Amino acid sequence: AQSVTQPDIHITVSEGASLELRCNYSYGATPYLFWYVQSPGQGLQLLLKYFSGDTLVQGIKGFEAEFKRSQSSFNLRKPSVHWSDAAEYFCAVGHGSGNTGKLIFGQGTTLQVKP
Amino acid sequence: DAGITQSPRHKVTETGTPVTLRCHQTENHRYMYWYRQDPGHGLRLIHYSYGVKDTDKGEVSDGYSVSRSKTEDFLLTLESATSSQTSVYFCAISGQEGHEQYFGPGTRLTVT
Repeated sequence: AQSVTQPDIHITVSEGASLELRCNYSYGATPYLFWYVQSPGQGLQLLLKYFSGDTLVQGIKGFEAEFKRSQSSFNLRKPSVHWSDAAEYFCAVGHGSGNTGKLIFGQGTTLQVKP
Repeated sequence: DAGITQSPRHKVTETGTPVTLRCHQTENHRYMYWYRQDPGHGLRLIHYSYGVKDTDKGEVSDGYSVSRSKTEDFLLTLESATSSQTSVYFCAISGQEGHEQYFGPGTRLTVT
């Protein structure tokens, strides 16, 4: 069955420290991969996406993610976290055909930033 | 930001009453989705649409129905609201199959 796993439910980092959020997927075909961020009381905002090509993708707000096919992973990274990055982060996987565009979302990781 | 609005943004209703939530888009996107978000469950797909009058069920469709009579509007109806349907509901749109989805601001529904 197709699935997305975010192993860390909650992560706390100090402001200025680096960040890595993990995402693992199980998908039969070559996936499309996404990271979204949700601030409290808001909708989800797309951070970045991977369809093909260069496995290191850059997104908004200084985030990047690396697709590793051998590990079925798409981890999100940021070199220096800002207090405004505190939010919930969702990884999602989709496919380009035969699936009517549905995405499968992970359970989310809540990021807390310490001053 | 993608042009997606949801109405109402907040609603309190009583058990057994019908409720309709509206999603309106100005992007002319083909695909539209309704999700509910609950603590510990992440986002769960209720129904989706892949064109006008073309809809299908998601993973948690029981107790919900949808309609899409024109490209820009996707309605979610709770025929007889129950307390288990208290949740935050998000609409999303996508222009291409499997590509990124853009989300609306959400509707917080409380069923008392």
